[in-house]
Amino acid sequence: QVQLVQSGAEMKKPGASVKLSCKASGYSFTDYDIHWVRQAPGQRLEWMGWINAGNGDTKYSQKFQGRVTFSRDTSANTAYMELSSLRFEDTALYFCARDDSTGWSHWGRGTLVAVSS
Amino acid sequence: EVEMTQSPATVSVSPGERATLSCRASQRVNSNLAWYQQKPGQAPRLLIYGASTRATGIPARFSGSGSGTEFTLTISSLQSEDFAVYYCQQYNNWPETFGQGTKLEIK
Repeated sequence: QVQLVQSGAEMKKPGASVKLSCKASGYSFTDYDIHWVRQAPGQRLEWMGWINAGNGDTKYSQKFQGRVTFSRDTSANTAYMELSSLRFEDTALYFCARDDSTGWSHWGRGTLVAVSS
Repeated sequence: EVEMTQSPATVSVSPGERATLSCRASQRVNSNLAWYQQKPGQAPRLLIYGASTRATGIPARFSGSGSGTEFTLTISSLQSEDFAVYYCQQYNNWPETFGQGTKLEIK
């Protein structure tokens, strides 16, 4: 079955970078886009952007432009999200989700990133 | 950016009753609207896409309607497992945006 397995929780200091992974299984990785979404404590879901797992094209939300980089390793069926210059307000649960063109029906369980001095 | 506004913020409904959740877009999003259910500590679960099409495996008690800027999610005959937070999402324009959520709680 389709699974997206995300990497474990991270604790970082302000100004640092974090790189999260999202390993796909159960389908052809390069056939679908992967979205990244985050959710700060008690807040709404916030779309960060997507990556075309086939050709590597990316689209970033303007809010994160310049600080976020999506990448993928097709040999490992894994998508990555790197966020730099971390701030306290980047503390959130970060999700990856597969775009089925009919909604996002498959999500990872999320990776908690805590930014603390 | 398309702003999505959900109402009410919280709604209390008794099991077996109907719940109606609303979502308004700040500009037209056609039918490019999805609804998700989220329980504490879990990822969102897709319920509805295309404003009115149930996702695979979603019970028939969930229905969506609307187009343009006004959308509704209706849950008929609430079950205990339906008490959660519900989000609408527009995917007509970038950035794709979510509403702030409606918490459906047991009355």
